[in-house]
Amino acid sequence: AQSVAQPEDQVNVAEGNPLTVKCTYSVSGNPYLFWYVQYPNRGLQFLLKYITGDNLVKGSYGFEAEFNKSQTSFHLKKPSALVSDSALYFCAVRAPSGGYQKVTFGTGTKLQVIP
Amino acid sequence: EAQVTQNPRYLITVTGKKLTVTCSQNMNHEYMSWYRQDPGLGLRQIYYSMNVEVTDKGDVPEGYKVSRKEKRNFPLILESPSPNQTSLYFCASSSGTGGTEAFFGQGTRLTVV
Repeated sequence: AQSVAQPEDQVNVAEGNPLTVKCTYSVSGNPYLFWYVQYPNRGLQFLLKYITGDNLVKGSYGFEAEFNKSQTSFHLKKPSALVSDSALYFCAVRAPSGGYQKVTFGTGTKLQVIP
Repeated sequence: EAQVTQNPRYLITVTGKKLTVTCSQNMNHEYMSWYRQDPGLGLRQIYYSMNVEVTDKGDVPEGYKVSRKEKRNFPLILESPSPNQTSLYFCASSSGTGGTEAFFGQGTRLTVV
């Protein structure tokens, strides 16, 4: 069975500082990995994904994530946090097999950027 | 504009009163899913559909029904809602499996009293 762990319920960071939101996963085979962001009273929005190739993936709003196969991690990063980055972030994984493969989401990490 | 539209956004109902939450997408996506979001539990899949008339259970299907009679619509039906179904519900669609990302609706906050 596949799973995703987001070990931090909340991450606080000062505006302008770098931020990291952690994600580790468990899945058979090479995974498809995703990050989504949820702003208050909104649905989830896609940020970025890892399919194959370069381990460093760049996405929307200046976010990036690094795929680390040996550590089974896919941490979300941004060099300089903005107050507007404050939101709930979800990591998700899907197994790469044929046919329908469900997506498993983590429990979410609330990012608070302090002015 | 590409979007997934859910209605209603907010709903308060009483135990046992049947309700339907509608979901419609305008992207001609084959795959659609329903999730519920609960604090500390993240998103859990209720049902999914791979195409018209093809649906299957997700992780938490008890107490829910779905149908997919048209490609664009995927309603969620609670035939006899109970308080433990109080939650935030999301519909999502995607063009395929594998590395394709999902598009989410804005959510339906359901309270069952």
